[in-house]
Amino acid sequence: AQKVTQAQTEISVVEKEDVTLDCVYETRDTTYYLFWYKQPPSGELVFLIRRNSFDEQNEISGRYSWNFQKSTSSFNFTITASQVVDSAVYFCALSEANRDDKIIFGKGTRLHILP
Amino acid sequence: DAGVTQSPTHLIKTRGQQVTLRCSPKSGHDTVSWYQQALGQGPQFIFQYYEEEERQRGNFPDRFSGHQFPNYSSELNVNALLLGDSALYLCASSLGIREQYFGPGTRLTVT
Repeated sequence: AQKVTQAQTEISVVEKEDVTLDCVYETRDTTYYLFWYKQPPSGELVFLIRRNSFDEQNEISGRYSWNFQKSTSSFNFTITASQVVDSAVYFCALSEANRDDKIIFGKGTRLHILP
Repeated sequence: DAGVTQSPTHLIKTRGQQVTLRCSPKSGHDTVSWYQQALGQGPQFIFQYYEEEERQRGNFPDRFSGHQFPNYSSELNVNALLLGDSALYLCASSLGIREQYFGPGTRLTVT
């Protein structure tokens, strides 16, 4: 069975601090995809990143970076020099290769960036 | 280039009624997936449509049904509404695999 766990329900940090959102996943497949989505108060899910299970290279996009470690089944997301506009709910998600796009989401982490 | 659109934005229904939600995929996309997001939870997969057929289904009762039209747009129907069906319903479209783009959602309230 596939499962995504985001243990941090809610995090608050002061603007300009760095913050890491944790994600642990479970799957029996050797081929799978991992995602992060951002959901601002407007409700629309905004795609941030997709990684496949064969690519463990860390990725950096501006202030965002992702650390994928298969050994610990984790796919953590770090925001550097956080800004108030980063305040949102962030979801980690998993899709198994043989499930044709069915995405399993974690429960999300609500991030508050305090000015 | 219009993204995924959904209608209506908000909807209030009474228990036992039926509801239809609509989704227009992003231009060029041929696959539509529907998700239910209860308050404080992550989205849960309901089903996916491709070539006008249901390709995959999550753990939702038969009260939840759908349809995809030749222009790739889709409808989600829920019969015999329960209070627990109150949620944000998200539609996602894709072409090929795994690049899903989500719409703004329809907020359904059942009273």
